[in-house]
Amino acid sequence: GESVGLHLPTLSVQEGDNSIINCAYSNSASDYFIWYKQESGKGPQFIIDIRSNMDKRQGQRVTVLLNKTVKHLSLQIAATQPGDSAVYFCAEKDSSYKLIFGSGTRLLVRP
Amino acid sequence: NAGVTQTPKFRILKIGQSMTLQCTQDMNHNYMYWYRQDPGMGLKLIYYSVGAGITDKGEVPNGYNVSRSTTEDFPLRLELAAPSQTSVYFCASRATANTEAFFGQGTRLTVV
Repeated sequence: GESVGLHLPTLSVQEGDNSIINCAYSNSASDYFIWYKQESGKGPQFIIDIRSNMDKRQGQRVTVLLNKTVKHLSLQIAATQPGDSAVYFCAEKDSSYKLIFGSGTRLLVRP
Repeated sequence: NAGVTQTPKFRILKIGQSMTLQCTQDMNHNYMYWYRQDPGMGLKLIYYSVGAGITDKGEVPNGYNVSRSTTEDFPLRLELAAPSQTSVYFCASRATANTEAFFGQGTRLTVV
């Protein structure tokens, strides 16, 4: 069957290294952003979120950075593990309450 | 607490047939969404709802209809199925506009 992320850009990292996944969003009026992880055959799972009045938020092993000037979002994963291999999507909420997803990045972790 | 439940998990339709994809959530969430994910691609918003009785179009609404008669249920209707509607369909819900969305496990639809 098809794999999630087959046609998406791929980031390959060594196990134990840090990963940085980037996302450009489109709407300057968007005020809430979410990062999701999707494994093959499953629905997206929440990782971390950030509101537009913040520029950084940290979770367990993950950090999200928001640069509203250039409409850019990044997800940093510390000490990347094999279980982090998946497709990662950013999503933005605009003023009409739509939740729009970006195109996604496939993360491959090399042992 | 079941979260977001989608039925069926798999379905094969013939061109021109119609069907309803079911989505129900037991978290009393106001906001509900339908997405489609084509093979190897990202998620595209079909329709969404901010509460019972209110629905609105997303990015790719053509060929679909929705209704939201209760807070719990948000069915997606396909009329006159076409091969271009072959996809995996995900339903999601969230409590408020600034909280994360919870996703169902998806419905894999093939139109032949």
